[in-house]
Amino acid sequence: DVKVTQSSRYLVKRTGEKVFLECVQDMDHENMFWYRQDPGLGLRLIYFSYDVKMKEKGDIPEGYSVSREKKERFSLILESASTNQTSMYLCASTLGPDTQYFGPGTRLTVL
Amino acid sequence: RKEVEQDPGPFNVPEGATVAFNCTYSNSASQSFFWYRQDCRKEPKLLMSVYSSGNEDGRFTAQLNRASQYISLLIRDSKLSDSATYLCVVNLYNFNKFYFGSGTKLNVKP
Repeated sequence: DVKVTQSSRYLVKRTGEKVFLECVQDMDHENMFWYRQDPGLGLRLIYFSYDVKMKEKGDIPEGYSVSREKKERFSLILESASTNQTSMYLCASTLGPDTQYFGPGTRLTVL
Repeated sequence: RKEVEQDPGPFNVPEGATVAFNCTYSNSASQSFFWYRQDCRKEPKLLMSVYSSGNEDGRFTAQLNRASQYISLLIRDSKLSDSATYLCVVNLYNFNKFYFGSGTKLNVKP
């Protein structure tokens, strides 16, 4: 059974803190993605990675960075959290242009 | 203009009803199409892929109209358990780019 896990389901941070969100997949997928989901806006792509140490900006990369040191792990970093980064963060992985498998999501609140 | 647009609903239907959702996409280079289902506070999960010839999976039928650039999802004999948000997803030639609609909410009532 395919599995994508995320380090936290709920997270509360203060403005200016550095935040790490981790995602791990056990399917040997090449491609991994970070999205945020906000009401009325759908899922928006922050960054994706198509191989170890490779990354590309998505549609809303500002304020975020990523790291992929191992194939199974893709981390999202908020260098200095702001209140407008309060959102649901979803990680996904895929082998090709087909099914995306999502992690359970991290609901981040920045106070 | 959004890449993918959906009617947010909600669609409130009685059990046993037939309901249909449409989704339009703006980029004619789109190659792959999907419907995902998302339950409240859960992650999206693939419901079905949408093929050019249309496809059916039990009570669910998906259609693609490339000329008009829309895809549809038909649910027959609605069940209470079908209550969820249905996301339309489109993939461009570059398989790293998936575009999601904001979702259509379905409430099936007894």
